[in-house]
Amino acid sequence: EPEVTQTPSHQVTQMGQEVILRCVPISNHLYFYWYRQILGQKVEFLVSFYNNEISEKSEIFDDQFSVERPDGSNFTLKIRSTKLEDSAMYFCASSRQTTYNEQFFGPGTRLTVL
Amino acid sequence: AQSVTQLGSHVSVSEGALVLLRCNYSSSVPPYLFWYVQYPNQGLQLLLKYTSAATLVKGINGFEAEFKKSETSFHLTKPSAHMSDAAEYFCAVSAAAGGTSYGKLTFGQGTILTVHP
Repeated sequence: EPEVTQTPSHQVTQMGQEVILRCVPISNHLYFYWYRQILGQKVEFLVSFYNNEISEKSEIFDDQFSVERPDGSNFTLKIRSTKLEDSAMYFCASSRQTTYNEQFFGPGTRLTVL
Repeated sequence: AQSVTQLGSHVSVSEGALVLLRCNYSSSVPPYLFWYVQYPNQGLQLLLKYTSAATLVKGINGFEAEFKKSETSFHLTKPSAHMSDAAEYFCAVSAAAGGTSYGKLTFGQGTILTVHP
């Protein structure tokens, strides 16, 4: 059964460093998403991506964040200069279509910023 | 704007007992509603979804949910809990087709279900 994969499973970084979180969506999916969950809080939407551009982004997704689909299979989230408050579980998801189509989630990357 | 409230961050039931996880939503446009389950160290897995067809929706693992527009609710139930149901459950809402949202899901805070033998 196809699945969304994410690497690494756990990333530890120093404040101010750049991190890149990687995701491989399901191959025939067209819509891609990043969500995050700070410990003890809700899963929050960060950004959606379609046709090589951002479709929608939340207030959280400021200039420190960027997304890219560099090679037609990977989907990456970059945080340019990490802050302590960026520590969270980051989930990638993909779907064939928007709205009612199921979003398939990856297992997440736990980011710890020291 | 959309929001989801899950009543009860922790629910504990005995094996074989009824499971009821509560979800209320707020949406300015017709909603699509989802329940996801997360097992330890795994991603979110879709249990079931409401997309404006039947109001009683059946999902995997014996779960079902009923969309009640008058109550703005989408509670998740299972007649008889199994030990393997222990997990965290998330209710989520997205805007129905025709909205400006590109499939963005808004989640509730999650409910941890514990099943006792």
